[in-house]
Amino acid sequence: DAGVIQSPRHEVTEMGQEVTLRCKPISGHDYLFWYRQTMMRGLELLIYFNNNVPIDDSGMPEDRFSAKMPNASFSTLKIQPSEPRDSAVYFCASSSIQGRPGGETQYFGPGTRLLVL
Amino acid sequence: GIQVEQSPPDLILQEGANSTLRCNFSDSVNNLQWFHQNPWGQLINLFYIPSGTKQNGRLSATTVATERYSLLYISSSQTTDSGVYFCAVGRPGGTSYGKLTFGQGTILTVHP
Repeated sequence: DAGVIQSPRHEVTEMGQEVTLRCKPISGHDYLFWYRQTMMRGLELLIYFNNNVPIDDSGMPEDRFSAKMPNASFSTLKIQPSEPRDSAVYFCASSSIQGRPGGETQYFGPGTRLLVL
Repeated sequence: GIQVEQSPPDLILQEGANSTLRCNFSDSVNNLQWFHQNPWGQLINLFYIPSGTKQNGRLSATTVATERYSLLYISSSQTTDSGVYFCAVGRPGGTSYGKLTFGQGTILTVHP
């Protein structure tokens, strides 16, 4: 399997522009997670999906952030309008719960490094 | 929410040395995972270990859930072990299912 795929790997944009990050989870996985990593705040969960349905979006920082999962093999995280404080590495991860009481191993993509000028 | 504390924050070793990393958490968990973030930023899952002990080569992990801590052991360290080690935990119930809270990490540097 190719693992979790994210695109683009790097994105540089100007404040006010729309940014769209993309993720393809591992085939057969039914959970998808979006994280953000910064020096100040570490790794934070933004939102996660089960079977394409958003389950918990309490980590989404504000209305400028939105995420969708139109099918089992694709998800997007959109920032509109972007701001310099959104600069971070954004990770997508997927897992297949398979009935374990606490969930399963999460597999991370390579991340998208976003710089908003 | 649950608090996850990792220690030490930084660790510097000579190649061949052994080390122990600790993860304390503030509430009961039913999911605990250890990750290694390499110098290129990739996050690799090392262990899924909500309880008990597991070993994988030079790495092993032990979680004592009743006492709310987990330990990651690295033996005969190599320069390729350098990076940041994260502990992440999940709480039982409701929308917490599958959801992980990460600690701040331990930065490990192994010198040749």
